Amino acid sequence: EVQLLQSGGGLLQPGGSLRLSCAASGFAFSNYPMSWVRQPPGKGLEWVSTIGYNGDYTNYADSVKGQFTISRDNSKNTLYLQSHSLRVEDTAVYYCARDTWTGTDHDAYDIWGQGTVVTVAS
Amino acid sequence: SVLTQPPSVSAAPGQKVTISCSGSSSNIGNSFVSWYQQFPGTAPKLLIYDNDKRPSGIPDRFSGSKSGTSATLGIIGLQTGDEADYYCGTWDASLSAELFGGGTKLTVL
Repeated sequence: EVQLLQSGGGLLQPGGSLRLSCAASGFAFSNYPMSWVRQPPGKGLEWVSTIGYNGDYTNYADSVKGQFTISRDNSKNTLYLQSHSLRVEDTAVYYCARDTWTGTDHDAYDIWGQGTVVTVAS
Repeated sequence: SVLTQPPSVSAAPGQKVTISCSGSSSNIGNSFVSWYQQFPGTAPKLLIYDNDKRPSGIPDRFSGSKSGTSATLGIIGLQTGDEADYYCGTWDASLSAELFGGGTKLTVL
């Protein structure tokens, strides 16, 4: 079964650190770019970051640029999202998602993790 | 949101509904559009990709189309189980970012 299983998150303090993990199974992880998407409480979806097949390409939303770091370990079939300076406005459910592209055209996010809650509060 | 969706739509069971997603030439006008269904407390699910294609397992009651800088999700034969939030998504070349619409809440009366 194709699956993304997320871990990490919880209640964190402003200025604190975050490390989210997303373990892939059931497909060739290294063949796909991967992304993180977040959803603040009661609000819509917001793209956060994307990483290429082997990590050589990364892209970030302006709202998290310089604050979040996306990475992957293809030997462990795992995607990561890290931050060392969390803000209250980073409070959201974070989803990892498998990215599909046709050439330079983005198709869709076809597989999603179950989501993990990150609450930033003092 | 850069992509504009109606906040809510409603229709009776068995009827049809359309949800619009309006953008610009830097996003919808030159990129594929995808649509996602999300039930409360669960992850989004892909309904439509590449404007009008359905992943395996998605019923043909769901359809997608695109014209110029707008896209539309259509649902026919509405069921109470279709009540959910629906989001459009597309790549914006000028922003180098994936965009989502603000979401549309579907109520099946």
